[in-house]
Amino acid sequence: DAGVIQSPRHEVTEMGQEVTLRCKPISGHDYLFWYRQTMMRGLELLIYFNNNVPIDDSGMPEDRFSAKMPNASFSTLKIQPSEPRDSAVYFCASSITGTGGFQFFGPGTRLTVL
Amino acid sequence: QQPVQSPQAVILREGEDAVINCSSSKALYSVHWYRQKHGEAPVFLMILLKGGEQKGHEKISASFNEKKQQSSLYLTASQLSYSGTYFCGTEWWYGGSQGNLIFGKGTKLSVKP
Repeated sequence: DAGVIQSPRHEVTEMGQEVTLRCKPISGHDYLFWYRQTMMRGLELLIYFNNNVPIDDSGMPEDRFSAKMPNASFSTLKIQPSEPRDSAVYFCASSITGTGGFQFFGPGTRLTVL
Repeated sequence: QQPVQSPQAVILREGEDAVINCSSSKALYSVHWYRQKHGEAPVFLMILLKGGEQKGHEKISASFNEKKQQSSLYLTASQLSYSGTYFCGTEWWYGGSQGNLIFGKGTKLSVKP
Protein backbone atom coordinates (compact mmCIF):
# COMPACT_ATOMS: atom_id res chain seq x y z
CA ASP A 1 0.00 0.00 0.00
CA ALA A 2 1.18 3.55 -0.69
CA GLY A 3 0.43 4.74 2.82
CA VAL A 4 -1.59 7.82 3.68
CA ILE A 5 -1.52 10.31 0.82
CA GLN A 6 -1.89 14.05 1.32
CA SER A 7 -2.03 16.85 -1.18
CA PRO A 8 -0.76 19.39 -1.71
CA ARG A 9 2.55 18.98 0.14
CA HIS A 10 3.06 22.73 0.29
CA GLU A 11 0.55 25.51 0.00
CA VAL A 12 1.22 29.23 0.07
CA THR A 13 -1.78 31.50 -0.01
CA GLU A 14 -2.85 34.98 0.92
CA MET A 15 -4.98 35.92 3.86
CA GLY A 16 -8.67 35.62 3.10
CA GLN A 17 -8.31 32.90 0.50
CA GLU A 18 -9.94 29.49 0.76
CA VAL A 19 -7.61 26.54 1.32
CA THR A 20 -8.50 22.89 0.79
CA LEU A 21 -6.28 20.10 2.04
CA ARG A 22 -6.83 16.55 0.85
CA CYS A 23 -6.21 13.13 2.33
CA LYS A 24 -6.48 9.56 1.12
CA PRO A 25 -6.28 7.08 4.02
CA ILE A 26 -4.87 3.59 3.82
CA SER A 27 -7.39 1.22 2.30
CA GLY A 28 -9.31 -0.69 4.95
CA HIS A 29 -8.66 1.79 7.74
CA ASP A 30 -11.85 2.82 9.49
CA TYR A 31 -10.50 5.83 11.38
CA LEU A 32 -9.20 9.07 9.92
CA PHE A 33 -7.64 11.89 11.91
CA TRP A 34 -6.69 15.47 11.07
CA TYR A 35 -3.93 17.12 13.11
CA ARG A 36 -2.27 20.50 13.09
CA GLN A 37 1.33 20.95 14.23
CA THR A 38 2.99 24.21 15.25
CA MET A 39 6.02 24.98 17.35
CA MET A 40 3.91 26.73 19.96
CA ARG A 41 1.07 24.25 20.35
CA GLY A 42 2.61 20.98 19.25
CA LEU A 43 0.51 18.28 17.61
CA GLU A 44 -3.20 19.04 18.02
CA LEU A 45 -6.08 16.79 17.05
CA LEU A 46 -8.59 18.79 15.02
CA ILE A 47 -11.22 16.20 14.12
CA TYR A 48 -11.55 12.48 13.56
CA PHE A 49 -13.90 10.23 11.63
CA ASN A 50 -15.00 6.64 12.10
CA ASN A 51 -16.49 4.96 9.04
CA ASN A 52 -16.79 8.39 7.36
CA VAL A 53 -18.78 9.87 10.26
CA PRO A 54 -17.26 12.74 12.28
CA ILE A 55 -16.92 11.58 15.88
CA ASP A 56 -15.24 14.48 17.62
CA ASP A 57 -14.63 17.92 16.14
CA SER A 58 -13.97 19.69 19.41
CA GLY A 59 -10.44 20.46 18.31
CA MET A 60 -11.52 22.47 15.27
CA PRO A 61 -10.37 25.99 16.14
CA GLU A 62 -13.35 27.92 14.82
CA ASP A 63 -16.05 28.04 12.19
CA ARG A 64 -13.56 28.88 9.50
CA PHE A 65 -12.45 25.25 9.61
CA SER A 66 -14.54 22.42 8.20
CA ALA A 67 -13.83 18.80 7.35
CA LYS A 68 -15.66 16.23 5.30
CA MET A 69 -15.28 12.58 4.48
CA PRO A 70 -17.61 11.80 1.59
CA ASN A 71 -16.35 8.23 1.26
CA ALA A 72 -13.91 5.79 2.81
CA SER A 73 -11.03 6.83 0.59
CA PHE A 74 -11.13 10.60 0.69
CA SER A 75 -11.29 13.45 3.19
CA THR A 76 -10.87 17.21 2.98
CA LEU A 77 -10.02 19.91 5.47
CA LYS A 78 -11.11 23.37 4.38
CA ILE A 79 -10.18 26.75 5.80
CA GLN A 80 -12.28 29.68 4.66
CA PRO A 81 -11.18 32.42 5.00
CA SER A 82 -7.57 31.66 5.85
CA GLU A 83 -5.54 33.78 8.29
CA PRO A 84 -1.77 34.01 8.95
CA ARG A 85 -2.22 32.22 12.30
CA ASP A 86 -3.43 29.15 10.39
CA SER A 87 0.11 28.63 9.10
CA ALA A 88 1.18 25.18 10.26
CA VAL A 89 1.81 21.64 9.09
CA TYR A 90 -1.42 19.70 8.75
CA PHE A 91 -1.23 15.93 9.07
CA CYS A 92 -3.78 13.32 8.18
CA ALA A 93 -3.54 9.90 9.83
CA SER A 94 -5.51 6.69 9.60
CA SER A 95 -5.84 3.56 11.70
CA ILE A 96 -7.53 0.24 11.31
CA THR A 97 -9.14 0.47 14.69
CA GLY A 98 -9.59 3.27 17.16
CA THR A 99 -9.05 1.49 20.41
CA GLY A 100 -5.41 0.65 20.89
CA GLY A 101 -4.77 1.05 17.21
CA PHE A 102 -1.67 2.83 16.12
CA GLN A 103 -1.94 5.55 13.52
CA PHE A 104 -0.17 5.88 10.21
CA PHE A 105 0.57 9.50 9.40
CA GLY A 106 0.66 11.07 5.99
CA PRO A 107 3.60 13.27 4.94
CA GLY A 108 1.74 16.43 5.89
CA THR A 109 0.82 19.67 4.13
CA ARG A 110 2.87 22.72 5.03
CA LEU A 111 0.51 25.69 4.86
CA THR A 112 1.76 29.25 4.78
CA VAL A 113 -0.78 32.07 4.88
CA LEU A 114 0.70 35.46 4.00
CA GLN B 1 -5.85 17.69 29.03
CA GLN B 2 -2.55 17.33 27.28
CA PRO B 3 -0.13 14.78 28.81
CA VAL B 4 3.09 16.19 30.23
CA GLN B 5 6.38 14.92 28.85
CA SER B 6 9.78 15.18 30.48
CA PRO B 7 12.47 16.08 29.82
CA GLN B 8 11.78 18.58 27.06
CA ALA B 9 15.13 17.85 25.47
CA VAL B 10 18.08 15.53 25.96
CA ILE B 11 21.49 15.18 24.35
CA LEU B 12 23.25 11.83 24.31
CA ARG B 13 26.42 10.28 23.01
CA GLU B 14 26.09 7.14 20.92
CA GLY B 15 25.69 4.12 23.16
CA GLU B 16 24.16 6.02 26.08
CA ASP B 17 20.71 5.36 27.48
CA ALA B 18 17.75 7.69 27.90
CA VAL B 19 14.35 7.65 29.56
CA ILE B 20 11.42 9.79 28.45
CA ASN B 21 8.42 10.16 30.73
CA CYS B 22 4.77 10.89 29.98
CA SER B 23 2.21 11.74 32.67
CA SER B 24 -1.53 12.21 32.48
CA SER B 25 -4.02 13.76 34.86
CA LYS B 26 -6.72 11.32 33.72
CA ALA B 27 -7.08 7.57 33.84
CA LEU B 28 -5.53 6.06 30.76
CA TYR B 29 -6.67 3.31 28.43
CA SER B 30 -3.49 3.29 26.42
CA VAL B 31 -0.29 5.20 25.74
CA HIS B 32 1.18 5.47 22.26
CA TRP B 33 4.74 6.52 21.46
CA TYR B 34 5.78 8.12 18.17
CA ARG B 35 9.05 9.51 16.84
CA GLN B 36 9.25 12.39 14.40
CA LYS B 37 12.37 13.35 12.50
CA HIS B 38 12.80 16.89 11.31
CA GLY B 39 10.57 17.66 8.35
CA GLU B 40 8.91 14.26 8.43
CA ALA B 41 5.69 12.75 9.74
CA PRO B 42 5.44 11.05 13.14
CA VAL B 43 6.13 7.31 12.99
CA PHE B 44 4.63 4.76 15.35
CA LEU B 45 6.95 3.09 17.87
CA MET B 46 4.96 1.49 20.65
CA ILE B 47 1.56 1.00 22.21
CA LEU B 48 0.98 0.12 25.85
CA LEU B 49 -2.51 -0.93 26.74
CA LYS B 50 -4.43 -0.97 30.01
CA GLY B 51 -3.97 -4.41 31.43
CA GLY B 52 -0.34 -4.66 30.45
CA GLU B 53 -0.35 -5.67 26.81
CA GLN B 54 2.54 -4.12 24.93
CA LYS B 55 3.22 -3.93 21.22
CA GLY B 56 6.06 -2.21 19.49
CA HIS B 57 9.56 -1.77 18.38
CA GLU B 58 12.13 -4.46 19.14
CA LYS B 59 14.91 -2.09 20.17
CA ILE B 60 12.85 0.24 22.29
CA SER B 61 10.96 -0.66 25.44
CA ALA B 62 8.43 1.09 27.58
CA SER B 63 6.47 0.77 30.77
CA PHE B 64 2.95 1.78 31.68
CA ASN B 65 1.99 2.44 35.29
CA GLU B 66 -1.81 2.60 35.30
CA LYS B 67 -2.06 3.67 38.93
CA LYS B 68 0.30 6.58 38.45
CA GLN B 69 -1.18 7.33 35.02
CA GLN B 70 2.21 7.52 33.46
CA SER B 71 4.44 5.84 30.93
CA SER B 72 8.18 5.80 30.34
CA LEU B 73 10.04 5.09 27.10
CA TYR B 74 13.47 3.49 27.42
CA LEU B 75 16.06 3.97 24.71
CA THR B 76 19.09 1.81 25.33
CA ALA B 77 22.45 1.89 23.60
CA SER B 78 21.31 4.86 21.54
CA GLN B 79 22.23 5.17 17.89
CA LEU B 80 22.46 8.25 15.69
CA SER B 81 19.21 7.15 14.05
CA TYR B 82 17.38 7.59 17.36
CA SER B 83 17.59 11.36 17.03
CA GLY B 84 14.24 13.07 16.68
CA THR B 85 11.31 14.29 18.71
CA TYR B 86 9.42 11.70 20.72
CA PHE B 87 5.73 12.16 21.39
CA CYS B 88 3.47 10.28 23.71
CA GLY B 89 -0.21 10.10 22.82
CA THR B 90 -2.72 9.23 25.47
CA GLU B 91 -6.07 7.53 25.07
CA TRP B 92 -8.34 8.06 28.06
CA TRP B 93 -10.41 5.49 29.85
CA TYR B 94 -14.15 6.17 29.86
CA GLY B 95 -15.08 2.63 30.68
CA GLY B 96 -14.07 2.10 27.10
CA SER B 97 -12.17 4.13 24.57
CA GLN B 98 -13.13 6.51 21.83
CA GLY B 99 -10.02 5.95 19.81
CA ASN B 100 -8.57 9.44 19.69
CA LEU B 101 -5.17 10.46 21.00
CA ILE B 102 -4.04 13.59 22.78
CA PHE B 103 -0.33 14.18 22.21
CA GLY B 104 2.23 15.67 24.56
CA LYS B 105 4.50 18.52 23.44
CA GLY B 106 7.33 16.14 22.69
CA THR B 107 10.88 15.43 23.85
CA LYS B 108 13.69 16.35 21.51
CA LEU B 109 16.43 13.73 21.54
CA SER B 110 19.80 14.41 19.95
CA VAL B 111 22.37 11.64 19.66
CA LYS B 112 25.92 12.77 18.95
CA PRO B 113 28.80 10.61 17.62
